[in-house]
Formats: sequence, structure tokens, C-alpha cells
Amino acid sequence: EPEVTQTPSHQVTQMGQEVILRCVPISNHLYFYWYRQILGQKVEFLVSFYNNEISEKSEIFDDQFSVERPDGSNFTLKIRSTKLEDSAMYFCASSEHRANTEAFFGQGTRLTVV
Amino acid sequence: QQQVKQSPQSLIVQKGGISIINCAYENTAFDYFPWYQQFPGKGPALLIAIRPDVSEKKEGRFTISFNKSAKQFSLHIMDSQPGDSATYFCAASSNYKLTFGKGTLLTVNP
Repeated sequence: EPEVTQTPSHQVTQMGQEVILRCVPISNHLYFYWYRQILGQKVEFLVSFYNNEISEKSEIFDDQFSVERPDGSNFTLKIRSTKLEDSAMYFCASSEHRANTEAFFGQGTRLTVV
Repeated sequence: QQQVKQSPQSLIVQKGGISIINCAYENTAFDYFPWYQQFPGKGPALLIAIRPDVSEKKEGRFTISFNKSAKQFSLHIMDSQPGDSATYFCAASSNYKLTFGKGTLLTVNP
């Protein structure tokens, strides 16, 4: 069964450092998303991406965040200068159509900022 | 207006019982309502979803009931099993994003 894969599963970084979280969406999907989940809280939308550009972003997704699809398979989330409050589980998701159809989530990357 | 309110926060059910989780929304632009199941340390997994033009959808032991006028929808898990113990999130979609409820921790006792 096709799945969204994310690497690494766990990333520890020092405050102020840059991190790149990587995702390989399902191959025939066209819409890509990043969500985050702070421990014990709900899943929050960060950004959606289609046709090589951001479709929508939340207020969380400020200038410290960026997304990129560097090749035909990877989708990355970069945090330029990490803060303690960026510590969370980051989920990549993809859907064949827009988010009003099935969105499949990866296993997540646990980001710990120390 | 973008919020999705979910209740209860936690639920304990005996094996074989019915689990019911409720969600309410305000934004009438939402046009797709999925439920996700999440086990500890894993990503949310799509369980079942409904569009507002139908009032009920059933897949196996899982049923969504949808009340468009009340802007409410619920998940019913029939014959609940210990393996159903997980966190359940309702969500609502408009355009390019899903808005999630806060989640319900379901525990099914054997």
C-alpha cells in the first residue's frame, strides 16, 4: 500500500539552528501539506503546496518556515532558526486532489529543540 | 469560526459497547468531514469521511452521522474492541487545509 514516508523520525537540534524535515509523498498525489502536533494537543495546519507553490499557509508558518519540492519526489520543510516552541511532531501529508479528499499522513518527525 | 469543537476529551467503553464522539463546526464553507485515528507515536490515519450532502455513512463498524442544519457530526464505533483504543480526531476541510478537533482518547476495556 502506498504511504507517505518521512525522515528523520527524530531530530534534536539546538535553538537557533536550521533544520530540514524531509518527506516523500505518495507518487501520484499532487497536493502536499505540513502539519504539526505539539505533544498532547491537536494537529495544526502549517502549509499546503500545489504546482510548486504555496496554496495556503497558517499564521504559524511565518518567515522562519519554508517549503520546497526540490525534485520529483521529495517535499521538505525548513525551519531557519529554531526556537524552543518549535518542538513538536511534524507530519507531512499528501492528497491526490485538494484537501477535501483523502489526505494521507506520514509517521511524523519528532523535532526537539534544546 | 475556523474551529472544530470535539467532545468528549476522553471516553472509556467496555468491549462490545458503542463509542460515540461528537464534533461541531461553525464555518459553512467546510465541505468534507473526515475522522482520523491516531495511535501513540504514529501519524493520523484516515478512518472514514463524509460530505455534507449525505446524512450518514457506514464502513464496517464505523458510522458517521452528519446534521448539516445543526452543523454537527459524530462518529459511532459499534462493537468496540480493545484494538480500537486510540485517539480520534474529527476534522473539517475547506480549500487546501484540514482543521482538526482537539481529539478524543478512547479506551476500550476488555
